[in-house]
Amino acid sequence: NAGVMQNPRHLVRRRGQEARLRCSPMKGHSHVYWYRQLPEEGLKFMVYLQKENIIDESGMPKERFSAEFPKEGPSILRIQQVVRGDSAAYFCASSPLTGPEAFFGQGTRLTVV
Amino acid sequence: AQSVTQLDSQVPVFEEAPVELRCNYSSSVSVYLFWYVQYPNQGLQLLLKYLSGSTLVESINGFEAEFNKSQTSFHLRKPSVHISDTAEYFCAVRPVSGNTGKLIFGQGTTLQVKP
Repeated sequence: NAGVMQNPRHLVRRRGQEARLRCSPMKGHSHVYWYRQLPEEGLKFMVYLQKENIIDESGMPKERFSAEFPKEGPSILRIQQVVRGDSAAYFCASSPLTGPEAFFGQGTRLTVV
Repeated sequence: AQSVTQLDSQVPVFEEAPVELRCNYSSSVSVYLFWYVQYPNQGLQLLLKYLSGSTLVESINGFEAEFNKSQTSFHLRKPSVHISDTAEYFCAVRPVSGNTGKLIFGQGTTLQVKP
């Protein structure tokens, strides 16, 4: 049973470009969470999704950031017009319908130059 | 709302010595508690969890944590550390009820095991 898969592992974007981060949850998991880890900080919740639904986006910046979890395919975190401050590690986690544990992917390290 | 405080940002310790990583939380509702470990350039791995029942929980690699409700703490301990335990450790909580499963993390504690 493969774990949570994130790609790419590393992503470099110039200021103003778009970044797309992908996350495939563990098999059988229907809940996906995105977290951001800034240098020297802990992880901060961004968004919680179920298939085709955003359940909680209280941690998402108001502009430029969006997330989706379509019926088919991976969850996508999209950052438009990236700025240097978006440089961080972005982690995806998934959990089953029952059970409170969340399992994390390896993360995508975004560098904006 | 919930918050988590990890009292030490860095903990240096010699190999085979005991270690305690401290975690305190604040919450107006019941929570589940977790410890995650992050090795360099890796994702987070679940180390151990408290959901209910016995307040002392153990991991397979010798770590243990005790849930203390009166002190709102969930400190992580190991009686004898190895070099391979060098990593970042995160304490996290999640509300038991409600429609969101989001985790609230502490700032992390870097455990540095020296030979």
